[in-house]
Amino acid sequence: KNEVEQSPQNLTAQEGEFITINCSYSVGISALHWLQQHPGGGIVSLFMLSSGKKKHGRLIATINIQEKHSSLHITASHPRDSAVYICAVRGYGGSNYKLTFGKGTLLTVNP
Amino acid sequence: DTGVSQDPRHKITKRGQNVTFRCDPISEHNRLYWYRQTLGQGPEFLTYFQNEAQLEKSRLLSDRFSAERPKGSFSTLEIQRTEQGDSAMYLCASSFAMLTPNEQFFGPGTRLTVL
Repeated sequence: KNEVEQSPQNLTAQEGEFITINCSYSVGISALHWLQQHPGGGIVSLFMLSSGKKKHGRLIATINIQEKHSSLHITASHPRDSAVYICAVRGYGGSNYKLTFGKGTLLTVNP
Repeated sequence: DTGVSQDPRHKITKRGQNVTFRCDPISEHNRLYWYRQTLGQGPEFLTYFQNEAQLEKSRLLSDRFSAERPKGSFSTLEIQRTEQGDSAMYLCASSFAMLTPNEQFFGPGTRLTVL
């Protein structure tokens, strides 16, 4: 079973700061997802990546397959970025539909 | 709205009662997933359908839980004789098997509180 660890568990930042959230996993994967969850529960997919780096607006996600590690960066953070950010990984082969999730990182951005 | 929808959004029930949740996936998505998320934890896989066939059930899904997807479209998740430990957010997601990568799209969730 893949173990997915996120750090930090909680993060408080001031508006405008650069944010980094880390995710590590124990077993090789076919893809890694970064998800955003606002109060009330709904989950939105931010990125899905299997190598390298992806950028969308102020969000950047990177993955190092050899080190089994991924980071999510938020540049010029804003209070509306406050949410729980969750890392999830997909296995290979017959179980590649199943996601294993980290516990999430609660980000609070103060104005 | 063409996203995944779930009903109800919130459910409060007394211990021992039965509850049923519904998930409507994105049209033409043939895969549907149920997850459970307890407070302070990430979601955990419960079960998965491809069309109407239930292909995998987690050990988390005790005998009191049953899920169906009778026509390969919407799905229901029923919990019988609810217990306080069943209190959680129940999330549904869907995807289209023929697309690579096979991205899952999540619904807003149903929050269950068992008193």
